[in-house]
Parts: sequence; structure tokens; C-alpha cells
Amino acid sequence: DVVMTQSPLSLPVTLGQPASISCRSSQSLVHSDGNIYLNWFQQRPGQSPRRLIYKVSNRDSGVPDRFSGSGSGTDFTLKISRVEAEDVGVYYCMQGTHWALTFGGGTKVEIK
Amino acid sequence: EVQLVESGGGLVRPGGSLRLSCAASGFIFSNYNMNWVRLAPGKGLEWVSSISSSSIYIYYADSVKGRFTISRDNAKNSLYLQMNSLRAEDTAVYYCARESDFDHWGQGTLVTVSS
Repeated sequence: DVVMTQSPLSLPVTLGQPASISCRSSQSLVHSDGNIYLNWFQQRPGQSPRRLIYKVSNRDSGVPDRFSGSGSGTDFTLKISRVEAEDVGVYYCMQGTHWALTFGGGTKVEIK
Repeated sequence: EVQLVESGGGLVRPGGSLRLSCAASGFIFSNYNMNWVRLAPGKGLEWVSSISSSSIYIYYADSVKGRFTISRDNAKNSLYLQMNSLRAEDTAVYYCARESDFDHWGQGTLVTVSS
């Protein structure tokens, strides 16, 4: 199975400051159709997961533009340009290129 | 509006069985692949199983293969997860999620396996 390694595990951030989460896959996520099926999810405390980014860099409808995704091959990043209080939660990357589907271990974003 | 509502969770003894349901509305259910994902206490998200729109393709995580069965009834707009031979490590909130890129999620249903 493809192993998704996220870092850091915990990310204390000052309000208004940027934050960055890394996600590395154990093998290339380029699908035979040419797409890279790498998604990012946010899970706020007490809520269900919510997709933020799909296929590396496409932001979902309603997701603030302070969230951005980038990367290629095996190395991906989720960036928050200016962290707001509502961004507290756990963030997961997930690869949908190879069966079995796999998630990263999660990064907990908290306010300093 | 897309809605996914899970039900069927509860407390079950080790070795027991449970059937989860996910009722879908707000979209043409029969056009979409569907998935089950779980979140165990203190752990991260774990993909459990996926089923294609017409049930032709079905996939399972190794951790549940041979014990869990995913199915769907497109006439009833419903997704199911039959869970047999349950273990303590199956304790989790179980979510259904739409499509291969997990664009919509339900609120989850809690399964607790304990004696």
C-alpha cells in the first residue's frame, strides 16, 4: 500500500500567520490517466471531514482562498496564507490513485 | 443539497455483527461511487471500503477483508456496510463519503465493540 507521511504532527500557529503542511507519498501518485489524485481534508472538532482541495491544487466550492494546494509526484503541500480561528482542526491528505486508498496520519492545527 | 445520513451504529460484543446504512439524497445516487471511512479514537482517518456506481467494482482495506461487506441499493438510494466478526479495534465513527474523491461526507455513526 502507498504510505502517506504528513508533517508536522502538530502545528501551533499565531492568528494571521501562515501555515504549511507537508504530505509525502511512498510512490508516485501520477495515475495512468495522467491525473494526480491527491486530496486534502479538514476535520474541525466535533465535525465530519470536509474536502478542501482535490487533484493537488483545486479548491472546493466555498473554501476560502487562503487555502492552497501544490505539489507533484510524491511531494505535496497544503498552505494557509493567514490562519484564522475557524481553521483549528486536523488536516489529512489522501491519495486516490492506487488501491488501497490511504490517508496521511493527520496534522493538528492549533492557535498559539 | 447533497445529504448523506448514516445509521445503524451502536454497542456490540466482540465477535458480533452490525449493519450500517447510509441514506443519500440531493443527487442521483446511482451515478456515483461510494465509500466507507472510519475514525478510531485517538487515530487518523482510515479508508474501509468502496463500491462503484453499479456495484461491479468493490474494494476493501486489508484490515476488514473477509469480515465486512459493502453493498448498495440504487432504488433505495442507500449504501450499506455489513460488519461481521467485529473486534475491539473496529471501534470507530464510520462515515460514508461520495465519489472516488470523497467530495461529500455524512455525519458519521459510532460503532463500539466491547464486552
